[in-house]
Amino acid sequence: GAVVSQHPSWVICKSGTSVKIECRSLDFQATTMFWYRQFPKQSLMLMATSNEGSKATYEQGVEKDKFLINHASLTLSTLTVTSAHPEDSSFYICSASTRTAPAFFGQGTRLTVV
Amino acid sequence: LAKTTQPISMDSYEGQEVNITCSHNNIATNDYITWYQQFPSQGPRFIIQGYKTKVTNEVASLFIPADRKSSTLSLPRVSLSDTAVYYCLVGEGNFNKFYFGSGTKLNVKP
Repeated sequence: GAVVSQHPSWVICKSGTSVKIECRSLDFQATTMFWYRQFPKQSLMLMATSNEGSKATYEQGVEKDKFLINHASLTLSTLTVTSAHPEDSSFYICSASTRTAPAFFGQGTRLTVV
Repeated sequence: LAKTTQPISMDSYEGQEVNITCSHNNIATNDYITWYQQFPSQGPRFIIQGYKTKVTNEVASLFIPADRKSSTLSLPRVSLSDTAVYYCLVGEGNFNKFYFGSGTKLNVKP
């Protein structure tokens, strides 16, 4: 299947700092990318939908000023967690999609805020 | 917001066929049904996708009845490495925007 890569795979940051997570579709151009978060022993929760060249659409309850999403090209979307706090510690996962194929997910990024 | 309902967990033994059924009573005309597998601390991995009838690939089969209100993922001869959470997802059109349900935790025993 198609390859979607996230970087970094894990990150530890201090409370109050910002962290950027990259999501790249390596062998296809993604019409849309999605960002999810997953807490331990829970399912994935959709955070936002990201289309290249336009503003992201956030799900209800997700703070757009805290979770900044930039989709600069058809192969790259970034999620920046601003002023991170321990409650933002989670597993963040992106998926990349075209309208003619299934979505493929990245390997996830484990964020720990200390 | 999840459009699907699945059993929370299932147990099986190595070498058996496993069938996981998913209910999606409110599936829309344009929706596709997609199944993913997730291991701990990894992103979901695509298994199979279908719209109607039967779809088969090298790892699984997907059975969808005519009314499309349910679907069944069939895993032939499971092994210990198939122990994972399996998610049944219904996408908006083929837009692949998913609201995840609880998934089914499959435990394969020796």
